[in-house]
Amino acid sequence: QQQVKQSPQSLIVQKGGISIINCAYENTAFDYFPWYQQFPGKGPALLIAIRPDVSEKKEGRFTISFNKSAKQFSLHIMDSQPGDSATYFCAASKGYGGATNKLIFGTGTLLAVQP
Amino acid sequence: DAEITQSPRHKITETGRQVTLACHQTWNHNNMFWYRQDLGHGLRLIHYSYGVHDTNKGEVSDGYSVSRSNTEDLPLTLESAASSQTSVYFCASSLNRGGGRQYFGPGTRLTVT
Repeated sequence: QQQVKQSPQSLIVQKGGISIINCAYENTAFDYFPWYQQFPGKGPALLIAIRPDVSEKKEGRFTISFNKSAKQFSLHIMDSQPGDSATYFCAASKGYGGATNKLIFGTGTLLAVQP
Repeated sequence: DAEITQSPRHKITETGRQVTLACHQTWNHNNMFWYRQDLGHGLRLIHYSYGVHDTNKGEVSDGYSVSRSNTEDLPLTLESAASSQTSVYFCASSLNRGGGRQYFGPGTRLTVT
């Protein structure tokens, strides 16, 4: 049962363009939505995260947009650079701030930014 | 600096053999996790632990086991390796409170022939 659905599976963007990756979730109890970035041969690393009490969070060129009613959230990478080429995973969990934080991951998006 | 390490980084084994993958973290985190990463499936949770002597099954736990005898280590054992267990395995750890951030190790690429 895929609780977090991610699309597209792969994405090619020109340098300077906007990369957009979308995720949808089913469980309304989720209250923490992070995005992880993974470079080849490395483990995933937290990129940016949002909680459902805000509709948008921006950190540099990376923005999460969150639509609670639609149960969707997306990652926008502005002015995409070749160094952004990586696999991106969305995730969700419930019980933020509590004793447990088991993450449910999406299937990943392979982003290639062409120079 | 605190870190999370995995060993070996690459392993080739034969079907039916027992294999143990090591995970060691110096963050002093209570929570530790094992995932497998496969194309088209993303990261799937195998087992997790919320503290010493605590272990829990994840989404894809069949054929795997873990034990937690101290805070720093969570070894993953494949009791009888199968070709379907060929994958990249990641260990992660997190604080017990205050956020969902998980810190991942560099991964172990396991091939079962």
